[in-house]
Amino acid sequence: DTGVSQNPRHKITKRGQNVTFRCDPISEHNRLYWYRQTLGQGPEFLTYFQNEAQLEKSRLLSDRFSAERPKGSFSTLEIQRTEQGDSAMYLCASSLDGRGHEKLFFGSGTQLSVL
Amino acid sequence: SQQGEEDPQALSIQEGENATMNCSYKTSINNLQWYRQNSGRGLVHLILIRSNEREKHSGRLRVTLDTSKKSSSLLITASRAADTASYFCATEPGGYQKVTFGIGTKLQVIP
Repeated sequence: DTGVSQNPRHKITKRGQNVTFRCDPISEHNRLYWYRQTLGQGPEFLTYFQNEAQLEKSRLLSDRFSAERPKGSFSTLEIQRTEQGDSAMYLCASSLDGRGHEKLFFGSGTQLSVL
Repeated sequence: SQQGEEDPQALSIQEGENATMNCSYKTSINNLQWYRQNSGRGLVHLILIRSNEREKHSGRLRVTLDTSKKSSSLLITASRAADTASYFCATEPGGYQKVTFGIGTKLQVIP
């Protein structure tokens, strides 16, 4: 169990640029979640995958955000035309499916700063 | 949107004292979990309680759940300086698979 890995750890970008983050979940985990967290707040749900299928996406998420999980393995989160309000920690978590496996395992996050 | 709300938002205690944090939520749930987060890091799972359970223990942690009041509490006994962190409750609403978090309680344990 190598844990959930997120890259990059930090990203600084200029407003209007596109950014892409990667998450490698624990290998046998079929559930994958993306969250956004700003200072002093709890993680805010963005989207959720069951294997390669994106089953739920927050209505708060604008069309500038897109996530993929090809082949049900790693996942990418892309933000197009970044805005200063996108500055936050982006967290990825994974878990197994089913009763008794609800515990989420989190990565260390990607800290995005939009200048 | 955030399902849960923790109370208090900040708590400062002396080492050795007990710390109690509360969580209220809005909709029916399958389970409720508590997580801990050290500054700038990812979250770590502490304990899960199911909707048909009322109390659960794990080491120095005690969690209660009152589904009629839609609330839960986390008690940390004999606190240590290393318990300094933010604590979040997370719920999985019935019929859905997304896990949503509260705004958290920031705990400071003074040595």
